[in-house]
Amino acid sequence: AQSVAQPEDQVNVAEGNPLTVKCTYSVSGNPYLFWYVQYPNRGLQFLLKYITGDNLVKGSYGFEAEFNKSQTSFHLKKPSALVSDSALYFCAVSLLSGNTPLVFGKGTRLSVIA
Amino acid sequence: DAGVIQSPRHEVTEMGQEVTLRCKPISGHDYLFWYRQTMMRGLELLIYFNNNVPIDDSGMPEDRFSAKMPNASFSTLKIQPSEPRDSAVYFCASSFTNLLGSEAFFGQGTRLTVV
Repeated sequence: AQSVAQPEDQVNVAEGNPLTVKCTYSVSGNPYLFWYVQYPNRGLQFLLKYITGDNLVKGSYGFEAEFNKSQTSFHLKKPSALVSDSALYFCAVSLLSGNTPLVFGKGTRLSVIA
Repeated sequence: DAGVIQSPRHEVTEMGQEVTLRCKPISGHDYLFWYRQTMMRGLELLIYFNNNVPIDDSGMPEDRFSAKMPNASFSTLKIQPSEPRDSAVYFCASSFTNLLGSEAFFGQGTRLTVV
């Protein structure tokens, strides 16, 4: 069975500073990895995904994530945070064998302070 | 496309009443998922369908919960009878079969409050 861990419930960062939201995963096989963002009273919005190929994946709103197979990690990053990036971020994993459902982490609340 | 459409957006009901949540997936998507979000448990998968057929309902918490997908453009999640601990945000999501891995698209959710 696959699982995802987001070790930080909350991440605080000053506007303009780089941000990192951490994610580690566990699967028996090759993973599909995803990041989603949730703004207040909204559904989850897709940010980016890793399927195969280049370990650095670029996504929406200037976000990127780095897949590290040896550390089983898929951390979300952004070089310069904006106040509007403040939201709840979810990491998710599914298996590379087809459309298995996404298994989500518990989420990390990002607060960007002006 | 308007995306995944859920109704109602908010539902307040009394304990013991029947509640029906509705979802219209994105046209052409052949997978549909129901998730529940709470502060304590995060996002939990309740059930998912492929081509209108339920594939895995092991996440459905109790027999009080049931889900149907009578056709490719409509699904319901029913709770009967409802209890206060069912209060949560319920999300519907859809995706399409894609060998390269397809992301799921989420609706806005239904916030259910059982009093």
